[in-house]
Amino acid sequence: ETGVTQSPTHLIKTRGQQVTLRCSSQSGHNTVSWYQQALGQGPQFIFQYYREEENGRGNFPPRFSGLQFPNYSSELNVNALELDDSALYLCASSQRTGDTGELFFGEGSRLTVL
Amino acid sequence: AQSVAQPEDQVNVAEGNPLTVKCTYSVSGNPYLFWYVQYPNRGLQFLLKYITGDNLVKGSYGFEAEFNKSQTSFHLKKPSALVSDSALYFCAVRDYGNNRLAFGKGNQVVVIP
Repeated sequence: ETGVTQSPTHLIKTRGQQVTLRCSSQSGHNTVSWYQQALGQGPQFIFQYYREEENGRGNFPPRFSGLQFPNYSSELNVNALELDDSALYLCASSQRTGDTGELFFGEGSRLTVL
Repeated sequence: AQSVAQPEDQVNVAEGNPLTVKCTYSVSGNPYLFWYVQYPNRGLQFLLKYITGDNLVKGSYGFEAEFNKSQTSFHLKKPSALVSDSALYFCAVRDYGNNRLAFGKGNQVVVIP
Protein backbone atom coordinates (compact mmCIF):
# COMPACT_ATOMS: atom_id res chain seq x y z
CA GLU A 1 0.00 0.00 0.00
CA THR A 2 1.49 3.35 -1.05
CA GLY A 3 1.28 6.09 1.55
CA VAL A 4 0.84 9.82 1.10
CA THR A 5 3.77 11.37 -0.74
CA GLN A 6 4.59 15.07 -1.00
CA SER A 7 7.02 17.06 -3.10
CA PRO A 8 9.24 18.93 -2.82
CA THR A 9 10.43 18.17 0.70
CA HIS A 10 12.17 21.52 1.13
CA LEU A 11 12.14 24.74 -0.82
CA ILE A 12 13.20 28.36 -0.42
CA LYS A 13 11.36 31.27 -2.02
CA THR A 14 11.46 35.04 -1.74
CA ARG A 15 8.61 37.38 -0.85
CA GLY A 16 6.18 37.95 -3.69
CA GLN A 17 6.97 34.71 -5.48
CA GLN A 18 4.55 31.87 -6.11
CA VAL A 19 4.87 28.24 -5.04
CA THR A 20 3.21 24.95 -5.96
CA LEU A 21 3.29 21.97 -3.63
CA ARG A 22 2.21 18.50 -4.72
CA CYS A 23 0.61 15.55 -2.99
CA SER A 24 -0.27 12.01 -4.00
CA SER A 25 -2.94 10.47 -1.84
CA GLN A 26 -2.81 7.03 -0.28
CA SER A 27 -4.12 4.23 -2.46
CA GLY A 28 -7.92 3.99 -2.22
CA HIS A 29 -8.36 7.46 -0.71
CA ASN A 30 -10.46 10.04 -2.56
CA THR A 31 -10.22 13.05 -0.25
CA VAL A 32 -7.22 15.31 0.28
CA SER A 33 -6.79 17.95 2.98
CA TRP A 34 -4.01 20.52 3.35
CA TYR A 35 -2.70 21.87 6.64
CA GLN A 36 -0.17 24.55 7.52
CA GLN A 37 2.07 23.95 10.53
CA ALA A 38 4.03 26.99 11.63
CA LEU A 39 7.05 26.50 13.87
CA GLY A 40 5.99 25.51 17.39
CA GLN A 41 2.29 25.31 16.49
CA GLY A 42 -0.25 22.65 15.69
CA PRO A 43 -1.41 22.14 12.11
CA GLN A 44 -4.05 24.58 10.84
CA PHE A 45 -6.66 23.49 8.27
CA ILE A 46 -6.30 25.23 4.90
CA PHE A 47 -8.85 23.38 2.75
CA GLN A 48 -10.09 19.99 1.62
CA TYR A 49 -10.74 18.58 -1.86
CA TYR A 50 -13.21 15.87 -2.78
CA ARG A 51 -14.14 14.88 -6.31
CA GLU A 52 -11.93 17.64 -7.68
CA GLU A 53 -13.84 20.38 -5.84
CA GLU A 54 -13.04 22.39 -2.74
CA ASN A 55 -15.03 20.95 0.14
CA GLY A 56 -14.40 23.25 3.06
CA ARG A 57 -11.88 25.99 3.74
CA GLY A 58 -10.16 27.32 6.82
CA ASN A 59 -9.23 30.90 7.64
CA PHE A 60 -6.73 31.43 4.82
CA PRO A 61 -6.76 34.19 2.18
CA PRO A 62 -7.64 33.54 -1.48
CA ARG A 63 -3.98 33.56 -2.49
CA PHE A 64 -3.99 30.03 -1.09
CA SER A 65 -5.62 27.86 -3.75
CA GLY A 66 -5.67 24.23 -4.71
CA LEU A 67 -6.56 21.58 -7.23
CA GLN A 68 -7.45 17.94 -7.14
CA PHE A 69 -6.96 15.73 -10.18
CA PRO A 70 -8.95 12.71 -11.38
CA ASN A 71 -6.38 10.36 -9.81
CA TYR A 72 -7.06 12.14 -6.46
CA SER A 73 -3.62 13.76 -6.30
CA SER A 74 -3.61 17.42 -5.34
CA GLU A 75 -1.71 20.68 -5.55
CA LEU A 76 -1.50 23.60 -3.16
CA ASN A 77 -0.66 26.96 -4.74
CA VAL A 78 0.34 30.04 -2.80
CA ASN A 79 0.67 33.36 -4.60
CA ALA A 80 2.38 36.56 -3.46
CA LEU A 81 4.35 34.79 -0.76
CA GLU A 82 4.78 36.52 2.59
CA LEU A 83 7.35 35.86 5.31
CA ASP A 84 4.63 34.39 7.54
CA ASP A 85 3.94 31.71 4.94
CA SER A 86 7.12 29.98 6.08
CA ALA A 87 5.88 26.69 7.52
CA LEU A 88 5.59 22.95 7.07
CA TYR A 89 2.74 22.20 4.68
CA LEU A 90 1.10 18.86 5.32
CA CYS A 91 -1.12 16.92 2.98
CA ALA A 92 -3.49 14.30 4.37
CA SER A 93 -5.70 11.82 2.59
CA SER A 94 -8.76 9.93 3.73
CA GLN A 95 -11.74 7.98 2.49
CA ARG A 96 -14.89 10.01 2.36
CA THR A 97 -17.06 7.28 3.77
CA GLY A 98 -18.24 9.27 6.74
CA ASP A 99 -16.71 11.49 9.33
CA THR A 100 -15.08 8.86 11.48
CA GLY A 101 -11.97 8.05 9.51
CA GLU A 102 -8.57 9.25 10.54
CA LEU A 103 -6.36 11.28 8.24
CA PHE A 104 -3.14 9.85 6.86
CA PHE A 105 -0.42 12.47 6.57
CA GLY A 106 2.54 12.84 4.28
CA GLU A 107 5.99 13.92 5.46
CA GLY A 108 5.31 17.52 4.51
CA SER A 109 6.90 20.23 2.39
CA ARG A 110 8.94 22.74 4.36
CA LEU A 111 8.68 26.20 2.80
CA THR A 112 11.02 29.01 3.77
CA VAL A 113 10.19 32.51 2.54
CA LEU A 114 13.04 35.03 2.64
CA ALA B 1 -16.20 26.25 16.70
CA GLN B 2 -14.31 23.14 17.67
CA SER B 3 -11.05 23.51 19.59
CA VAL B 4 -8.51 21.58 21.61
CA ALA B 5 -6.36 22.61 24.56
CA GLN B 6 -3.13 20.89 25.50
CA PRO B 7 -2.15 22.72 28.68
CA GLU B 8 1.44 21.57 29.07
CA ASP B 9 4.22 22.55 26.69
CA GLN B 10 6.53 19.73 27.72
CA VAL B 11 6.14 16.50 29.64
CA ASN B 12 9.24 14.92 31.17
CA VAL B 13 9.09 11.33 32.35
CA ALA B 14 11.66 8.71 33.35
CA GLU B 15 11.92 5.61 31.19
CA GLY B 16 9.66 2.88 32.55
CA ASN B 17 7.34 5.30 34.33
CA PRO B 18 3.73 5.96 33.27
CA LEU B 19 3.24 8.69 30.68
CA THR B 20 0.20 10.96 30.52
CA VAL B 21 -0.40 13.73 27.99
CA LYS B 22 -3.45 15.88 28.69
CA CYS B 23 -6.07 17.13 26.26
CA THR B 24 -9.40 18.90 26.67
CA TYR B 25 -11.76 19.71 23.83
CA SER B 26 -14.70 21.88 22.88
CA VAL B 27 -17.29 20.98 20.23
CA SER B 28 -20.94 21.77 19.68
CA GLY B 29 -21.99 18.18 19.08
CA ASN B 30 -20.58 14.70 19.53
CA PRO B 31 -16.79 14.75 19.30
CA TYR B 32 -14.54 12.61 17.17
CA LEU B 33 -11.14 12.66 18.94
CA PHE B 34 -7.70 11.73 17.67
CA TRP B 35 -4.10 11.54 18.85
CA TYR B 36 -1.17 11.92 16.47
CA VAL B 37 2.59 11.78 17.06
CA GLN B 38 5.24 13.74 15.16
CA TYR B 39 8.94 12.92 15.13
CA PRO B 40 11.49 15.62 14.13
CA ASN B 41 11.16 16.73 10.52
CA ARG B 42 8.44 14.16 9.86
CA GLY B 43 4.72 14.18 9.18
CA LEU B 44 2.04 13.17 11.66
CA GLN B 45 1.45 9.52 12.50
CA PHE B 46 -1.97 8.35 13.70
CA LEU B 47 -2.01 6.74 17.16
CA LEU B 48 -5.67 6.24 18.06
CA LYS B 49 -9.18 7.65 17.85
CA TYR B 50 -12.43 7.80 19.78
CA ILE B 51 -15.65 7.78 17.80
CA THR B 52 -18.14 6.02 20.03
CA GLY B 53 -18.35 3.08 22.42
CA ASP B 54 -15.87 2.24 25.17
CA ASN B 55 -14.35 5.26 26.85
CA LEU B 56 -10.93 3.57 26.95
CA VAL B 57 -9.40 3.38 23.49
CA LYS B 58 -6.30 1.34 22.70
CA GLY B 59 -3.97 2.35 19.90
CA SER B 60 -0.56 1.84 18.38
CA TYR B 61 2.74 1.30 20.24
CA GLY B 62 1.05 0.54 23.57
CA PHE B 63 -0.73 3.89 23.83
CA GLU B 64 -4.28 4.27 25.08
CA ALA B 65 -6.57 7.19 25.76
CA GLU B 66 -9.54 7.75 28.02
CA PHE B 67 -12.57 9.72 26.86
CA ASN B 68 -14.35 11.60 29.65
CA LYS B 69 -17.47 13.38 28.44
CA SER B 70 -18.24 15.19 31.68
CA GLN B 71 -14.72 16.66 31.84
CA THR B 72 -14.47 17.05 28.03
CA SER B 73 -11.08 15.38 28.18
CA PHE B 74 -9.21 12.81 26.12
CA HIS B 75 -5.89 12.16 27.88
CA LEU B 76 -3.26 9.99 26.23
CA LYS B 77 -1.55 7.37 28.40
CA LYS B 78 1.14 4.75 28.26
CA PRO B 79 1.85 2.48 31.25
CA SER B 80 5.62 2.33 30.73
CA ALA B 81 7.39 4.98 28.67
CA LEU B 82 10.29 4.23 26.31
CA VAL B 83 13.06 6.59 25.24
CA SER B 84 11.79 6.13 21.69
CA ASP B 85 8.46 7.68 22.75
CA SER B 86 10.19 11.08 22.89
CA ALA B 87 8.32 13.14 20.28
CA LEU B 88 5.66 15.80 19.76
CA TYR B 89 2.11 14.68 20.48
CA PHE B 90 -1.01 16.33 19.07
CA CYS B 91 -4.60 15.96 20.16
CA ALA B 92 -7.26 16.77 17.54
CA VAL B 93 -11.04 16.96 17.42
CA ARG B 94 -13.62 16.90 14.66
CA ASP B 95 -17.25 17.79 15.11
CA TYR B 96 -19.87 15.56 13.50
CA GLY B 97 -20.64 16.82 10.00
CA ASN B 98 -17.47 18.89 9.92
CA ASN B 99 -14.71 17.85 7.60
CA ARG B 100 -11.75 19.47 9.31
CA LEU B 101 -9.56 18.53 12.26
CA ALA B 102 -8.77 21.14 14.89
CA PHE B 103 -5.37 20.44 16.48
CA GLY B 104 -3.94 21.49 19.80
CA LYS B 105 -0.56 23.21 19.95
CA GLY B 106 1.14 19.95 20.82
CA ASN B 107 3.06 18.53 23.77
CA GLN B 108 6.74 17.74 23.63
CA VAL B 109 7.35 14.47 25.48
CA VAL B 110 10.86 13.82 26.74
CA VAL B 111 11.58 10.35 28.12
CA ILE B 112 14.71 10.36 30.24
CA PRO B 113 16.84 7.18 30.23
